[in-house]
Amino acid sequence: DIVMTQSPATLSVSPGERATLSCRASQSISSALAWYQQKPGQGPRLLIYDASTRATDIPGRFSGSGSGTEFTLTISSLQSEDFAVYYCQQYNNWPTFGQGTKVEIK
Amino acid sequence: EVQLLESGGGLVQPGGSLRLSCAASGFTFSSYAMTWVRQAPGKGLEWVSAISGSGGVTYYPDSVKGRFTISRDNSKNTLYLQMNSLRAADTAVYYCAKFPTYVATANKYFQHWGQGTLVTVSS
Repeated sequence: DIVMTQSPATLSVSPGERATLSCRASQSISSALAWYQQKPGQGPRLLIYDASTRATDIPGRFSGSGSGTEFTLTISSLQSEDFAVYYCQQYNNWPTFGQGTKVEIK
Repeated sequence: EVQLLESGGGLVQPGGSLRLSCAASGFTFSSYAMTWVRQAPGKGLEWVSAISGSGGVTYYPDSVKGRFTISRDNSKNTLYLQMNSLRAADTAVYYCAKFPTYVATANKYFQHWGQGTLVTVSS
């Protein structure tokens, strides 16, 4: 299985600041990477697919980059509704997920 | 608007069985592959099964192969997960989710997710 490793585990950010989340794959996955946002008691919400394509209705402050084994999700200016847990997922093979990064209010 | 509503979770003893359902609406159900993904309490996400739009092809990871069966009834817009020989390690919230494609072997990310149903395996 391809192992996905996210860092940091927790990110403390003030509203309006930029947040940068990292995801590393244990082997090359080309651009077969998705990012999801999950809030307590809810199912995940697709943010980004194909490493850098925003899903429908996702605000422009969310952007994804990377290819191969190193990927980044950037939230340019954090809004109150963005404090949540973020997961990356590879789909070069059958899906595996990272362990998540919690973005909390500083 | 796409809606996915899971049901059927509950408390079951080790070795027992349970069938989950996912009622879909807001899209042409038979045109999309579907999947189940679980999340153990306080943990990350784990993919547990997938099925093509027709229902003719299914996929499982080794952790559930031979114990779980995914199926669908396109006339009822409903996805199912039959879970047998349940173990404590199967305790999780189970989500159904929609692929962006008819086949489950391409673009294996998930556009829409339900709210989940909790399965607890305990004596």
